[in-house]
Amino acid sequence: GDSVTQMEGPVTLSEEAFLTINCTYTATGYPSLFWYVQYPGEGLQLLLKATKADDKGSNKGFEATYRKETTSFHLEKGSVQVSDSAVYFCALSPYNNNDMRFGAGTRLTVKP
Amino acid sequence: EPEVTQTPSHQVTQMGQEVILRCVPISNHLYFYWYRQILGQKVEFLVSFYNNEISEKSEIFDDQFSVERPDGSNFTLKIRSTKLEDSAMYFCASRGDQPQHFGDGTRLSIL
Repeated sequence: GDSVTQMEGPVTLSEEAFLTINCTYTATGYPSLFWYVQYPGEGLQLLLKATKADDKGSNKGFEATYRKETTSFHLEKGSVQVSDSAVYFCALSPYNNNDMRFGAGTRLTVKP
Repeated sequence: EPEVTQTPSHQVTQMGQEVILRCVPISNHLYFYWYRQILGQKVEFLVSFYNNEISEKSEIFDDQFSVERPDGSNFTLKIRSTKLEDSAMYFCASRGDQPQHFGDGTRLSIL
């Protein structure tokens, strides 16, 4: 079935470092792809999304590009802040389907 | 911005007891979902609900689970006889078009 695989971490970076969290997917058809963020003690918040190949989602300095040729949706940020410390989930919504499939989550800690 | 709200934020229940988790989806949304996240693990799909019936469910959603939209605004998840392994964070979500909007979750602790 459709699924996502993401770098599990944990990832620890210094403030202002470059961030990449890898996510690859397996899907039949044309899924929509998402990154959700979960701050400590909170629920899931949509960070960004892309609904078709070559779309780039961006928000709060984070970016991810839907790459069909490599079935990837890697999350990047050029300069992380301490406030970016959270768990990041890559997710997929299968084409013509109703549910959301989540990756295992990657815990990011940013140190001052 | 409209939000999905879940109550309670934390529920503690004795094993074998029934529990009902409540959600108020965003008012013009038509699709509703429950997910669960066992501590430290991935978020897992439980069930989706549309047009007053279950549209999909995972193998986790067995006969002990049920969902209901009793009054046009609330969306509830009932666990009939809780087990220790039901301890988890339960997230409700709703959507119109994509994406799904999630509530802050209910932490369910089974003693």
